[in-house]
Amino acid sequence: EVQLVESGGNLIQPGGSLRLSCAASGFTVSTEYMTWVRQAPGKGLEWVSILYTGGLTFYTDSVRGRFTISRDDSKNLLYLQMDTLRAEDTAVYFCARGSSVTTGAFDSWGLGTVVTVSS
Amino acid sequence: DIQLTQSPSSVSASVGDTVTITCRATRGVNKWLHWYKQKPGKAPELLIYAASTLQSGVPSRFSGSGSGTDFTLTITSLQPEDFASYYCQQANSFPYTFGQGTKLEI
Repeated sequence: EVQLVESGGNLIQPGGSLRLSCAASGFTVSTEYMTWVRQAPGKGLEWVSILYTGGLTFYTDSVRGRFTISRDDSKNLLYLQMDTLRAEDTAVYFCARGSSVTTGAFDSWGLGTVVTVSS
Repeated sequence: DIQLTQSPSSVSASVGDTVTITCRATRGVNKWLHWYKQKPGKAPELLIYAASTLQSGVPSRFSGSGSGTDFTLTITSLQPEDFASYYCQQANSFPYTFGQGTKLEI
C-alpha cells in the first residue's frame, strides 16, 4: 500500500528556515515524480515544486531561490528545504506522488504538515 | 503562467442531483488537466486524470471531458460523500497551477 507521511512543520519566525520531510512506503521515490503542494488557511491548493526521477526540478515563482526540493534514495525520503520564510508561506504542506500511470497526476497524497511563519 | 478559472466557485445541490463544474485555462493545456476532490481537513484525492480518465477506485458517476482550454467535471446522482471542494490542475507547462476550487454544498 502506498503511503506518504509528512513531518517537520513548525512555528517559525519570518526569515527563518525549515526542512520538511516526506516518508514514502509502498513505492520508491526515485522511480516516480514527487511534488509538494501547499494550502494556506482557508484557501485553495497551490503547487510548490516537483522533482523528477532524473533529478530535474521545477518551482513556482514565489518560492524559486528560497525552497529546494530533494530526496534521499537510501531512506526513501523526499525533502523540502525552505529558507528565508515569509508570512505568506504559512500553509499546510502536502507531499504527493505523480505516477507515470496517471500521466503525472498526483495519485497519492500525505496528510500534510503545518508550517506557520509568524513573529 | 497558465491561470485556471473554475465556475461556479460554489454550488448547492441535493442528493441525487447532477452537477457540472467547468475549468477554463488562459492557454491551451492539451489534455493535461486533472481533477481532485478535497474534504475539509483532509488530503486531496485524484478523481480524473488527462481530462477524462477515471482514476482507479473512483465511482463511475464522476466523469470528465474537454481539451485545450475548456474542461468539465460532471457528477451524476450526487451522494452524501460527494459534498466537498473540487479543484482542477494543469500539468501542461510549468509552473503547474490549480483552479481556485469549487465548493459543492448540500
